[in-house]
Parts: sequence; C-alpha cells; structure tokens
Amino acid sequence: QQQVKQSPQSLIVQKGGISIINCAYENTAFDYFPWYQQFPGKGPALLIAIRPDVSEKKEGRFTISFNKSAKQFSLHIMDSQPGDSATYFCAASMKGGSSYKLIFGSGTRLLVRP
Amino acid sequence: GAGVSQSPSNKVTEKGKDVELRCDPISGHTALYWYRQSLGQGLEFLIYFQGNSAPDKSGLPSDRFSAERTGGSVSTLTIQRTQQEDSAVYLCASSRTGANTGELFFGEGSRLTVL
Repeated sequence: QQQVKQSPQSLIVQKGGISIINCAYENTAFDYFPWYQQFPGKGPALLIAIRPDVSEKKEGRFTISFNKSAKQFSLHIMDSQPGDSATYFCAASMKGGSSYKLIFGSGTRLLVRP
Repeated sequence: GAGVSQSPSNKVTEKGKDVELRCDPISGHTALYWYRQSLGQGLEFLIYFQGNSAPDKSGLPSDRFSAERTGGSVSTLTIQRTQQEDSAVYLCASSRTGANTGELFFGEGSRLTVL
C-alpha cells in the first residue's frame, strides 16, 4: 500500500524523441507526486511535481500527466536531449501524519542517443 | 556551502567494523532524512528527523543501524558490525518544511563498500 511502482527500468530514446516513464500507486492518501532526476555521482534533484487537483503540469519540455481514477502518473520528456540522460524517480507523499515522508519508485535509467 | 554536505564521499571497510557517516544539512532546514540507495535500486527510507528528534525510525534495517542529530543541524548515521549487504550509497536530504509541502534537497551521498 505504501509502494510506488515505476516502469520501465531502463529506456533508450533517440535525440528529439519523447521519453515516457510511468508510475502507479495504491494508497489514495498520497496527494503529492514529485519526480526527481539523478545524474551519476550526484544526489537526486527535484524536477517537477503535481498534486491530484490537476491532470497535467508542464514545465518546459517536462510534463506530468496524472490519472487520479487509475492511480497512475507519468513523466513525458519532449524533444529528449543527450543531457537528459539520467535516472528518474517518481515519488509520492501523503497528507496527514506521515506527510514528512517521500516514498520513491525504483527508478528509470534513461539514455538519450545523439 | 549552500547545499547538503555529506562525508566521507567514499568509505571502504572490512566486514565487522563500525562506520560513521556524516550529514551537514542546509542551514535553517529542520527536517532531515537518511535514504539508502543500493545498486540499481530505488531510494529506501531509513529515518526522519524533525529538529533533534526522530519521530520515524521505521526504515532502519536492524539494530546495527542508529542515527542522531545534534543542535538541529549535523546528523550522523552509524552502522555497527558492518555486513556486505550494507554496501550501498547512503543519501542525506534536508527540507525546510517536509516532503509533502516542500522540496527535499539531497547531498551527493556516501558510498559504502563492505569487503
């Protein structure tokens, strides 16, 4: 119930293509869904986040799509660039007593080929 | 510096030895977290501090693991009698307000290798 399931485990995309990473959750108490980006040797950094009151959020080439009824959310990277090659983690946090905690997915390693 | 600082960046130790990992959070951040990242795995929650107290230690894998935070700032994660399965990157993060209302800022991690 506390898990966030992420797929695919790895993804290879050509430069200019669209990268899509999917996540699913069970616990309806989750109400905050960030995506973190991690480059090799670095800590994860916040990329973009969404709350369930909207179905989509866009920041530059990065878009989160959120389907509350299906309990799924996804990250779309438009016009993917080699500099986007990194590991991406979806995450979820719940309201209430456990609101301090961020539960992470297992990560997707993205490689964008030139 | 302005970011979360962790030390050592790399630690190689022998099985059975104790290790201490240090985290210096961003000044003014009251929330501090430790996560563990094993090779090819996601981030596993270990412990959460609010100020100097740890209201959630539920992720600590065994009683060989302990953590403390002093002065509402620096935190130390201690692993006693290390085992090979403890090999991982240990990440520290801090936040001004907590995960649900704000961003977690991560350090670069301490890579622990237990031989």
